[in-house]
Amino acid sequence: KNQVEQSPQSLIILEGKNCTLQCNYTVSPFSNLRWYKQDTGRGPVSLTIMTFSENTKSNGRYTATLDADTKQSSLHITASQLSDSASYICVVSVLASGGSYIPTFGRGTSLIVHP
Amino acid sequence: GAGVSQTPSNKVTEKGKYVELRCDPISGHTALYWYRQSLGQGPEFLIYFQGTGAADDSGLPNDRFFAVRPEGSVSTLKIQRTERGDSAVYLCASSLSPEPDPYNEQFFGPGTRLTVL
Repeated sequence: KNQVEQSPQSLIILEGKNCTLQCNYTVSPFSNLRWYKQDTGRGPVSLTIMTFSENTKSNGRYTATLDADTKQSSLHITASQLSDSASYICVVSVLASGGSYIPTFGRGTSLIVHP
Repeated sequence: GAGVSQTPSNKVTEKGKYVELRCDPISGHTALYWYRQSLGQGPEFLIYFQGTGAADDSGLPNDRFFAVRPEGSVSTLKIQRTERGDSAVYLCASSLSPEPDPYNEQFFGPGTRLTVL
């Protein structure tokens, strides 16, 4: 079982609408949680970074929330644009046995924005 | 360069062959990471370097995979006796310093698409 679960697996919305993507994680100890946007054929690009003490973080039309108690995060996209069509990946960094923090990636949510 | 670069962008090889994938990190970034991303999946951690040394190689799937970073900048991921299951996009990322700085960001390259026939 993946330690970072994302839902939905895919989502289709109309341009201008809002949407919310979900991320549940079981990994611990938790260091930070990131949301990435990955366009087809490109590497992921960071949208937000949150530590366990942060509940919300915004980056333009993207707002991420975190509940470290329930180990849930969400990414809310406001007034979607065609360019938002991409895969959105939730990443949780955990403490590895060697003392380094290693990211664990979710499988991503594929978002398609239609005109 | 302005970002992380990876070469080649695409590599097609035959089963059993040896391949090398190259990553040029952002200048001055001490940490370098390799990931593997299969179709429809999120990236999977392989190995990370702090400077010249491999700080954590727990993600390497087996001893056919090896990576080096001899001068603390460019890194090469080496795969021996390639198998069809090795086909994936191999991503490289670099960061200014490794965690535990929680705001330390990784910058990804475009990846190398490896196809093993």
